[in-house]
Amino acid sequence: KNEVEQSPQNLTAQEGEFITINCSYSVGISALHWLQQHPGGGIVSLFMLSSGKKKHGRLIATINIQEKHSSLHITASHPRDSAVYICAQANFGNEKLTFGTGTRLTIIP
Amino acid sequence: DAGVIQSPRHEVTEMGQEVTLRCKPISGHNSLFWYRQTMMRGLELLIYFNNNVPIDDSGMPEDRFSAKMPNASFSTLKIQPSEPRDSAVYFCASDAGGPYGYTFGSGTRLTVV
Repeated sequence: KNEVEQSPQNLTAQEGEFITINCSYSVGISALHWLQQHPGGGIVSLFMLSSGKKKHGRLIATINIQEKHSSLHITASHPRDSAVYICAQANFGNEKLTFGTGTRLTIIP
Repeated sequence: DAGVIQSPRHEVTEMGQEVTLRCKPISGHNSLFWYRQTMMRGLELLIYFNNNVPIDDSGMPEDRFSAKMPNASFSTLKIQPSEPRDSAVYFCASDAGGPYGYTFGSGTRLTVV
């Protein structure tokens, strides 16, 4: 059983919609990462957070340590946001990441 | 900075051949990671280095895989002999240990036929 669970696995939405992707993890973490992988294959680090909320442009990431849950939100979604979004946990004392299975997001014009 | 640089971008080789993947991390980043991505298993850590020293190689599949980091600006991942099941995209990433997360290279798509 994967220690990092994401939902939904696939998400299709209309341009402009508010998007939420969820991530649950099973053990205490030092940080939770959100990554974006575009169809071309490149991976971009979006956020690294250990508490609270971070915002970058139309992207917002939140984390609830007590509930072991994080969400990635996209406001005013755009077709260029279409990608696979991956959350990953980093554990205390170890820098390596354990990845979720990813959420494939498709934004339709 | 040009980011994390991996070479080659694509590699097609015959089963049994030796394959060497290369990575140049971002200058000043003290951690380097090798990941493998397949459709079946997603992203998996193979090995990571801190200050050029291997810290965790528990993800290296078997003795056919080896990785080195002879200096702070260069790392290699070698597969010898290669097998078709090694076909995957191999990513290198580096990290400065601060709040900004990882930087990934563009990946090497390996096909073993």
